[in-house]
Amino acid sequence: ELKVEQNPLFLSMQEGKNYTIYCNYSTTSDRLYWYRQDPGKSLESLFVLLSNGAVKQEGRLMASLDTKARLSTLHITAAVHDLSATYFCAANNNNDMRFGAGTRLTVKP
Amino acid sequence: NAGVTQTPKFQVLKTGQSMTLQCAQDMNHNSMYWYRQDPGMGLRLIYYSASEGTTDKGEVPNGYNVSRLNKREFSLRLESAAPSQTSVYFCASSEVKWTGGNTIYFGEGSWLTVV
Repeated sequence: ELKVEQNPLFLSMQEGKNYTIYCNYSTTSDRLYWYRQDPGKSLESLFVLLSNGAVKQEGRLMASLDTKARLSTLHITAAVHDLSATYFCAANNNNDMRFGAGTRLTVKP
Repeated sequence: NAGVTQTPKFQVLKTGQSMTLQCAQDMNHNSMYWYRQDPGMGLRLIYYSASEGTTDKGEVPNGYNVSRLNKREFSLRLESAAPSQTSVYFCASSEVKWTGGNTIYFGEGSWLTVV
């Protein structure tokens, strides 16, 4: 059974700092998603990673995928308050898609 | 620019009551899904419909039924609501069932409380 674990679950960081969120999955996955969710809102798609070594960047966020290690990372560069949200990763295996528990990120001035 | 629309947004039910959550998408997507989200947990798939006329169980289907009414609409029914079904429910759709890099689009969520 595909299981997805994220860490940390809670992250408080200062503006301007860098940090990485980790997403491990237990079995082979043919794609990896990252989503953002603001409080009381729906999920917004950030990245879809399809192959080993895939790297995608959008603004201060960069996502990467290592299929051999079954690991995806979401790197935050020079954090700003607007990045405060909950970030979810999701892995897909043979049409079974599972989400991580989410990382609640708070960026403080 | 509607995307995925869910109704109702908020609902309070008494234990044993039934209700249907409605979902419609205007993107001509083939696949539709119902998820639930509980505090501190990621989304868990309840049911999905890969294409019009088909439905399949997801990770947590017990206590729910679904109907893929047509290509646009996918409803979720609670026949006899239980407090354990208190949750936020999200409907989603995608062009093809998780193949390729297709993005999955989520609705705004339906907050359901069972007392």
